[in-house]
Amino acid sequence: QVQLVESGGGVVQPGRSLRLSCAASGFAFSSFGMHWVRQAPGKGLEWVAVIWFDGSQTYYLDSVEGRFTISRDNSKKTLYLQMNSLSVEDTALYYCARAASTSKFGDQYGMDVWGQGTTVTVSS
Amino acid sequence: IVLTQSPATLSLSPGERATLSCRASHYIHTYLAWYQQKPGQGPRLLIYDTSNRAAGIPARFRGSGSGTDFTLTISNLEPEDFAVYYCQHRSDWPLTFGGGTKVEIK
Repeated sequence: QVQLVESGGGVVQPGRSLRLSCAASGFAFSSFGMHWVRQAPGKGLEWVAVIWFDGSQTYYLDSVEGRFTISRDNSKKTLYLQMNSLSVEDTALYYCARAASTSKFGDQYGMDVWGQGTTVTVSS
Repeated sequence: IVLTQSPATLSLSPGERATLSCRASHYIHTYLAWYQQKPGQGPRLLIYDTSNRAAGIPARFRGSGSGTDFTLTISNLEPEDFAVYYCQHRSDWPLTFGGGTKVEIK
């Protein structure tokens, strides 16, 4: 079945780095854009980053631009989020999500498949 | 673009109608989606581009609006509909979500 499984979360000190992974299965991963979305404890959803199906385009939340890098390996069906210079404000549950679209070149109209998330805690 | 959802909490009984609002700080055409999130779960896409139901979403979920004002209506609430609902625009980058509306059992 269609599935996304995140991993790589943990407890890290401020200023350190962490890399999240998202393993996809059950669909043609290389045909879909992918997002990272986070949710701080007890808070709402916050979009973090997106990458096009072929990795040719990326966009970021202003507060993570320059610190986070979204990437993908289509041969491994895996999405990544490299997070550097982490701060306590980055503490959250991080979800990967598939970009819903009519085709790989079509408009992305939402996020139609979500993982269960991986928890990142930034604390000294 | 800031999305403001109201009310923050809606207390209703099964069988009643829920009306959730999402207001955008700027014009976003009809580029608005709605998600449902239950505790311990990832969100689920309900509605995209204001009024299109995602695959497998029951007809009791209906989206409407345009421009800056949008509404999600859930008619005849079922027990499984009690959850938190978020709106999200796709008008420009960065994407943003509203703060959420919790639909709770009265």
